Amino acid sequence: NAGVTQTPKFQVLKTGQSMTLQCAQDMNHNSMYWYRQDPGMGLRLIYYSASEGTTDKGEVPNGYNVSRLNKREFSLRLESAAPSQTSVYFCASKRGEYQETQYFGPGTRLLVL
Amino acid sequence: AQTVTQSQPEMSVQEAETVTLSCTYDTSESDYYLFWYKQPPSRQMILVIRQEAYKQQNATENRFSVNFQKAAKSFSLKISDSQLGDAAMYFCAYRGRDDKIIFGKGTRLHILP
Repeated sequence: NAGVTQTPKFQVLKTGQSMTLQCAQDMNHNSMYWYRQDPGMGLRLIYYSASEGTTDKGEVPNGYNVSRLNKREFSLRLESAAPSQTSVYFCASKRGEYQETQYFGPGTRLLVL
Repeated sequence: AQTVTQSQPEMSVQEAETVTLSCTYDTSESDYYLFWYKQPPSRQMILVIRQEAYKQQNATENRFSVNFQKAAKSFSLKISDSQLGDAAMYFCAYRGRDDKIIFGKGTRLHILP
């Protein structure tokens, strides 16, 4: 099993450009999450999806959209990138039951100039 | 709202010695989970240990153990026989009934040879 995979690993954007961060998991998990990590900060939840077809806002959703394409994939879209969105983005998944543990992907480093 | 506080931005410990990382949290819930995650330079988030709030017994995983004080809302991580590979950022995290994880800002642990 590959676990949770993210593409790309690193991306540079100009202000105003758009892009989609991809996340996929092969563990048959129901719940998926997107976080951002800024220097000196822990991870903060952007959006999450408790099951296929559902999405909910987290702590810092402004400037982002998500799509739960199917059970495996959960994408994060920046429609018009801003320098404040420079960060490391992590995707995570969990089987769905409350007591289960989240598994994290390797992260995507995004630089917005 | 729940909060997680790690009051030690950085710590150092001599190889083979024991070190304790502190974490406090604030919540009005009685049923929740607490976690310690390790983030090495690779940026991968690795679960070190977790504790269910309803369990009085402190969790242990090999050289890693916690001191969970529910009334004091304290959740410290003890690393015994520190090894060079333990050098990393350590994040304390809380997950409540809404199933969202809240992270502390992290403690950077240095291992001195």
